[in-house]
Amino acid sequence: KNQVEQSPQSLIILEGKNCTLQCNYTVSPFSNLRWYKQDTGRGPVSLTIMTFSENTKSNGRYTATLDADTKQSSLHITASQLSDSASYICVVTPYSGGGADGLTFGKGTHLIIQP
Amino acid sequence: ETGVTQSPTHLIKTRGQQVTLRCSSQSGHNTVSWYQQALGQGPQFIFQYYREEENGRGNFPPRFSGLQFPNYSSELNVNALELDDSALYLCASSTEWAGKLFFGSGTQLSVL
Repeated sequence: KNQVEQSPQSLIILEGKNCTLQCNYTVSPFSNLRWYKQDTGRGPVSLTIMTFSENTKSNGRYTATLDADTKQSSLHITASQLSDSASYICVVTPYSGGGADGLTFGKGTHLIIQP
Repeated sequence: ETGVTQSPTHLIKTRGQQVTLRCSSQSGHNTVSWYQQALGQGPQFIFQYYREEENGRGNFPPRFSGLQFPNYSSELNVNALELDDSALYLCASSTEWAGKLFFGSGTQLSVL
């Protein structure tokens, strides 16, 4: 069964500090991996999309890395801001050419930035 | 803003009732998918519509049904509501089956 496990479940850091969120998946074969940011009570917003051939992708202060061999991805946030407080969800697409029914969502990491 | 709008934003229903949630896709997007997200969980795929046809369904009972209209807007209908149906319901539109998803802000459904 395809699974996506995220860690930690929750994280509290001080404003200005860096942090790294982890995503491990068992989806195989694999097409792409996405990171989304979801503010409380709102819909997820795409941060990065990486194919199996990409190792890293940045979006401002967000940098995602991917190791397709170990089936691990990380999302690194640099110089955190209060607005970074949100849930971060990892989503993996299998290489099936299918639709959204193939997407496997993680449960997310709940990040709180304290002033 | 993603250009995907959902209505209503909040809804309170009682067990056994029926509900219809609406989603307006981003301009140019012909695919819409619906998700149920319980508190503290990741979104769970309900179904997807591509050019008015359902072309993928998750592990949800038949009382969850949907429609996609010629303008690619969509509806999610839930019959015989149960307490466990309380959740945030998200729709997402895209230009292809598993392309980049643009999510709406969701409808928070509470079943009492």
